[in-house]
Parts: sequence; structure tokens; C-alpha cells
Amino acid sequence: GAVVSQHPSRVICKSGTSVKIECRSLDFQATTMFWYRQFPKKSLMLMATSNEGSKATYEQGVEKDKFLINHASLTLSTLTVTSAHPEDSSFYICSARPRDSYRHIYNEQFFGPGTRLTVL
Amino acid sequence: QKEVEQDPGPLSVPEGAIVSLNCTYSNSAFQYFMWYRQYSRKGPELLMYTYSSGNKEDGRFTAQVDKSSKYISLFIRDSQPSDSATYLCAMSDGWGKFQFGAGTQVVVTP
Repeated sequence: GAVVSQHPSRVICKSGTSVKIECRSLDFQATTMFWYRQFPKKSLMLMATSNEGSKATYEQGVEKDKFLINHASLTLSTLTVTSAHPEDSSFYICSARPRDSYRHIYNEQFFGPGTRLTVL
Repeated sequence: QKEVEQDPGPLSVPEGAIVSLNCTYSNSAFQYFMWYRQYSRKGPELLMYTYSSGNKEDGRFTAQVDKSSKYISLFIRDSQPSDSATYLCAMSDGWGKFQFGAGTQVVVTP
């Protein structure tokens, strides 16, 4: 159980285009989803936290108009990279926190497999 | 100063050896400590989590937390080539956000 999927797994796009990445919790409902960015041999950097039905909370330095996040349902959150540029090329990973986690004090997160974005 | 420091490695060990990994941190509010394993181009998977100080053992894995020293460790006994991966430590103050270390690349050679 507790499986999180991401689609697509990899995407290559031209500079200036927009790319949408989907994050789905397959067998549980997630009130909160997190979006991370990871550079090669670097740590996961939290970009934003999204709660179902409300606006996402962005970390300092992350452009909210650049990285649009929509958490429309308890099983789906989307990240749209608008007007992508080569510097946006990275590995994007989402995670989801179960709605009914019995280990709520731990605030567990289940991670998706990641999406590799390459902007030419 | 980063909130979580972790040596990126790589750490190379022969099969069967003990792998010793560690992280240091500066935020005394952290109470939850996790270790994740990440294979190349995959998402992280949870290995161990510990609340507050102490030791926790699960099979070949042992996690230790020393809050007084702000130091956490992960030991992998009888290491296998399949343990070759990047190991990330993560910490939380309980309010949801995780702070990750940079990850240590481990290579177990047959």
C-alpha cells in the first residue's frame, strides 16, 4: 500500500513551453502533497506544500508564477512549469501524506518515483 | 550553515562489511529522524524512522539518534551489492516539513 505515482517519468521540451507533471496517490487519500526538486548529487529541495482545495504554500525563493501547483482532489496534485527554460531542467519528486495516517505525529510522506525534466 | 549536513561520499565498501552513515544537524527542534534509500533516478523509499533519541533496529539496519550531540547514524550490517544506492537522512520538527541531507552515495563491491 501507500503507492504514489508520477507522470510522466521523463519529459523533454523546448524552451518557452509549459510542462505539467502529475502526482497521484493510488491507494490512499492525501490531504497534503509536497513538491521537491533535486539536482544531480544534491539533496531534495522542498519547493512547495499543497493542501487539497487550497492554495499551495511556496518556499522562499520559489516563483509561484513559474511553478503552478494545483491540488484539486485528495489523490491528485499537479505541478506546471510555465515557460520552461534550460535552468529548470531537474528531477522533480512529489510526496503525499496520507489523510488517515495513524502515525500522524510522524507526518509520514510517501514519495513518487520522480519526473526528469529536460528543457532544450 | 546548512540545517542538515551529510557527507556526499562516495563510500565504497566490500560486500559483507558494515556501512556506517551519519548526519549532523543544527536545529534542536527536530524530533523525527528518517533514513531514505534512493536508487538512481528513482524516488526515495523509507528505511527507518526514529522519534527523539535512541536506537532502532530493523533487520540489517540500525538507526541511532543522539540529540545531545545533534548527530544521527545509520548502520547496515552484512552489506550486499543491492545496498548500493544513495542514502538520505531527513528530519522533521513534527509540523510536516522535512529537511534532507545531501545524501551519501554508497557502493558495495562484490
